[in-house]
Amino acid sequence: QLQLQESGPGLVKPSETLSLTCTVSGGSISSSNYYWGWIRQPPGKGLEWIGSIYYSRSQYNPSLKSRVTISVDTSKNQFSLKLSSVTAADTAVYYCAKPQQQLVGGSFDIWGQGTMVTVSS
Amino acid sequence: EIVLTQSPATLSLSPGERATLSCRASQSVSSYLAWYQQKPGQAPRLLIYDASNRATGIPARFSGSGSGTDFTLNISSLEPEDSAVYYCQQRSSWPLTFGGGTKVEIK
Repeated sequence: QLQLQESGPGLVKPSETLSLTCTVSGGSISSSNYYWGWIRQPPGKGLEWIGSIYYSRSQYNPSLKSRVTISVDTSKNQFSLKLSSVTAADTAVYYCAKPQQQLVGGSFDIWGQGTMVTVSS
Repeated sequence: EIVLTQSPATLSLSPGERATLSCRASQSVSSYLAWYQQKPGQAPRLLIYDASNRATGIPARFSGSGSGTDFTLNISSLEPEDSAVYYCQQRSSWPLTFGGGTKVEIK
C-alpha cells in the first residue's frame, strides 16, 4: 500500500525559503512513471496545485513558477518542494500527492496527510 | 489556464435527498475531470476520475457525468457522512487547476 508523508519546518520566516519533503513508502519512485505533485490549501480556502515532477521534468503553477523548485531524490525515495521569498500568503497546509495516471498530469488518488506551514516572524 | 467554476457554493439538504453539484470549465477539458471530497482536517479523497469513473472504494451513490465544459457530481441519497466540501479538478492541460469548491451541509 503506497503511502506519502510530508515533513519539514512548521514555521518559516518571511522572505526565507520553505522546504518540504515527501517520503514515499510502499513503492519505488524510480520504478514509477508518475508526475508526483504538491498541492496547498490556505486556511479556510480551496486547493491550489503548486507543481508536479517526473524525474527531471517539472511543471509549475505559473503564479508560483518564479519561486518554486520541485526535485526528486530516487535514492531516498523522496521528492521535495522549495518555495522562496515566502510571505504570509504562503501560509497553508501543504500536501504531496500521487496521480492516478502515468506520464501525464493526473487526478490524485493518494495524498499525504498534509503539513501546516506558517509564515511568520 | 483553465478556470473551473463550481456551483452552488453551498448546498443544504436532508438525509436521503439527492445532491447535484456543478463544475464548469472555461474551455473544453474533454473528459479529464475529477471530483474530490474533503472533510475538515483531512486530505482530499478522490471520488470520480475522468468525469464518470468511480475511484476505488467509492460508494455507488456517487456518480459523475459530463464532458467538454460542463460536469456534474450527483450524490443519489445523502448520508450524514457526506457532509464535506467537494472540489473538481481538470487534468486536460498544465497547469492543473481546481474549482473553488461546493460545501454540502446535511440538515
